[in-house]
Amino acid sequence: DVKVTQSSRYLVKRTGEKVFLECVQDMDHENMFWYRQDPGLGLRLIYFSYDVKMKEKGDIPEGYSVSREKKERFSLILESASTNQTSMYLCASWGQGAKETQYFGPGTRLLVL
Amino acid sequence: KQEVTQIPAALSVPEGENLVLNCSFTDSAIYNLQWFRQDPGKGLTSLLLIQSSQREQTSGRLNASLDKSSGRSTLYIAASQPGDSATYLCAVDNNDMRFGAGTRLTVKP
Repeated sequence: DVKVTQSSRYLVKRTGEKVFLECVQDMDHENMFWYRQDPGLGLRLIYFSYDVKMKEKGDIPEGYSVSREKKERFSLILESASTNQTSMYLCASWGQGAKETQYFGPGTRLLVL
Repeated sequence: KQEVTQIPAALSVPEGENLVLNCSFTDSAIYNLQWFRQDPGKGLTSLLLIQSSQREQTSGRLNASLDKSSGRSTLYIAASQPGDSATYLCAVDNNDMRFGAGTRLTVKP
């Protein structure tokens, strides 16, 4: 069974802290994505990666960075958390080809105080 | 830049009704379109994927259609049940995935 896991379901951090969100997939997929989801705004793409050590900015990369040292793991880093980064963060994994669907993790709900 | 719109934003129906959710997109050069379901506080689960060469896909009580030229897709749910209550999102693939904001469906017993 396909699996995308995220390191935490809920996280509470203070303003200015460095935050790491981890995502692991077991499908040997090349493509991995980080989204944030906010009410009324849908899913917005933060960063994505098509291969190990490769990263591309999405629509809202400011205040975030990513790391992909291994194929199965894609990390999202908030260098200095701010209250406007309070959100639901979703990781997704995607194989190649038009027939492939994206598989999502359960999400991490982050609260920045 | 691709923009995806879903109408309505919320929908409440009595159990047993057939219903239609709408999705429109601005750039018709897509590889595929997907419909996802999201339960509160959870991740997304893929329901149906329609490739750009296809017109529709069916799974059980769900039927999704795609009209690329007009930039539209519909998700038809037959004989709705309370367990169908969730948020439904459509997403189009133009080399990356663009999502609509979703339609929050409530099916009342």
